Amino acid sequence: DTEVTQTPKHLVMGMTNKKSLKCEQHMGHRAMYWYKQKAKKPPELMFVYSYEKLSINESVPSRFSPECPNSSLLNLHLHALQPEDSALYLCASSQAGASGVEQFFGPGTRLTVL
Amino acid sequence: GQNIDQPTEMTATEGAIVQINCTYQTSGFNGLFWYQQHAGEAPTFLSYNVLDGLEEKGRFSSFLSRSKGYSYLLLKELQMKDSASYLCAAQTNAGKSTFGDGTTLTVKP
Repeated sequence: DTEVTQTPKHLVMGMTNKKSLKCEQHMGHRAMYWYKQKAKKPPELMFVYSYEKLSINESVPSRFSPECPNSSLLNLHLHALQPEDSALYLCASSQAGASGVEQFFGPGTRLTVL
Repeated sequence: GQNIDQPTEMTATEGAIVQINCTYQTSGFNGLFWYQQHAGEAPTFLSYNVLDGLEEKGRFSSFLSRSKGYSYLLLKELQMKDSASYLCAAQTNAGKSTFGDGTTLTVKP
């Protein structure tokens, strides 16, 4: 299985809602990533988990809260988002502890904040 | 810091060859990725270069010069399905990848 899955595919939420994005992989990868991608822009790294521990937080606002409950799952909890947070949120995974390894991307969750 | 530059748009003809350039200035540089991204889809891996030189993989080849901070992606025998955005990403020794803004390639018949 060489697939990263993400749910939901689309999400519309109000600024007062609480929602979660989910990501799953069964490739035995121990590094998982959250990226944010706005239209016609490249992916921007948000968080990196290595061996289920948060290793990189790119100064992301606290209204985004990542969680890695086990080596296969990665969540992104959303609360009190702003309309400018509307974007495609991509999850990726790779082998951990090794640079130069390919990141496998999921299909993304397209988030709209009203 | 990191600074990655690539052309915004390129157009080429079906069956032709196109070269997409990428320059980078990256602290702690380790290697360079190329990804392909079709509109509305996730990026897919094309290549990774850590050593100087050319790596060939079918119709796609990628080149790196570490001393010049320069890479290119070469696409041969272009097909209509190659119309996509091509992203170069510089990776640091810490494993962090930063993407360029992408080059939108349009292949015309």
